[in-house]
Amino acid sequence: SQQGEEDPQALSIQEGENATMNCSYKTSINNLQWYRQNSGRGLVHLILIRSNEREKHSGRLRVTLDTSKKSSSLLITASRAADTASYFCATDAGTDKLIFGTGTRLQVFP
Amino acid sequence: NAGVTQTPKFQVLKTGQSMTLQCAQDMNHEYMSWYRQDPGMGLRLIHYSVGAGITDQGEVPNGYNVSRSTTEDFPLRLLSAAPSQTSVYFCASSWRTPSTMNTEAFFGQGTRLTVV
Repeated sequence: SQQGEEDPQALSIQEGENATMNCSYKTSINNLQWYRQNSGRGLVHLILIRSNEREKHSGRLRVTLDTSKKSSSLLITASRAADTASYFCATDAGTDKLIFGTGTRLQVFP
Repeated sequence: NAGVTQTPKFQVLKTGQSMTLQCAQDMNHEYMSWYRQDPGMGLRLIHYSVGAGITDQGEVPNGYNVSRSTTEDFPLRLLSAAPSQTSVYFCASSWRTPSTMNTEAFFGQGTRLTVV
């Protein structure tokens, strides 16, 4: 079974609104990463948060990590139509493997 | 720099045929991996390599072989294609293993494989 599960599976919002996606995982980790995938394309790395960090920012992205709950959230502020994509969390699961979750499909309407 | 290059972009195979999906990176990355992506399943790890000459199994390795004779190349072989292997395949590379620093993964554009 997959290490990460994203919630919700799909999210639709208007431009300018904030989008929040959640990721839960099963085992101890060293890092947690978030990736974006535009339709039909490869994945693009967004941000990495280490297990000893609780929050990280990159532009309009804010990631939090709660290792006690084995969960992370990705917040995109002031969403744009160009943010429409699928978003995946990925963890190392304490191994040499990078394991992905099932993803959240975000639709941002102009 | 080309990054991660996958060939072919599209392929149709008949059941039982074999083929090799090519993956090359020009970033001198140690770590390379193969994933398959099916609707609703996210990405599942097939095989990975932590360096030339070293490979290991991921979550769904059955029906696939890999080798890593050079740092740059990491081909994925389908031994006897089955309809269940119809999927989009992604190759990725990173400087180091996922549990370390400098672990951002770079992805190829994918190979869309259909087995009939």
